[in-house]
Amino acid sequence: EADIYQTPRYLVIGTGKKITLECSQTMGHDKMYWYQQDPGMELHLIHYSYGVNSTEKGDLSSESTVSRIRTEHFPLTLESARPSHTSQYLCASRSQTGSGNTIYFGEGSWLTVV
Amino acid sequence: QKEVEQDPGPLSVPEGAIVSLNCTYSNSAFQYFMWYRQYSRKGPELLMYTYSSGNKEDGRFTAQVDKSSKYISLFIRDSQPSDSATYLCAMSAKYSSASKIIFGSGTRLSIRP
Repeated sequence: EADIYQTPRYLVIGTGKKITLECSQTMGHDKMYWYQQDPGMELHLIHYSYGVNSTEKGDLSSESTVSRIRTEHFPLTLESARPSHTSQYLCASRSQTGSGNTIYFGEGSWLTVV
Repeated sequence: QKEVEQDPGPLSVPEGAIVSLNCTYSNSAFQYFMWYRQYSRKGPELLMYTYSSGNKEDGRFTAQVDKSSKYISLFIRDSQPSDSATYLCAMSAKYSSASKIIFGSGTRLSIRP
């Protein structure tokens, strides 16, 4: 079972507010990811990290930013939320041993911007 | 053309039926294949992981890879209403720091009691 945790699970905020979605994993994985997924739609990679102080933008352009100061922690920040940011945000990390290409997801953070 | 194609469904079958979910892909370098199950408003959960060709069985689930046809399948035997979810396939090339994991768009499955 994967040990990857996201908070908050559900959040409703007003336009223009700053929000940080937290993600932590206790598996010691170097690689971590943020995906965005609208209801019933496919996953879109928005950010990834190969380790501490490494962050890259994903395939889908996003106004969010990420940081990776500690191996286990990969928060995502929106400086000024807009209704177009309403979506589910999924954090994930990747094993590098044995089944080295499996990726484990958190439960997701549902963000609604009103 | 997407690297991984997956029929979005929805697929509706009666309880107890055998379900077949499929993905096709175009990149012959893919060697690692995964199936995820995603319940509504939850994150995807890893179901099966296979390397290269062949079959892998885990309880009621069987994952099958046919690399010559670039086709993978997930079979669910004795399907239950609790199997109702979206199933995503995922795959990647031989492990390297640059290899990406590519996801299918998911198939919505509904098991009717």
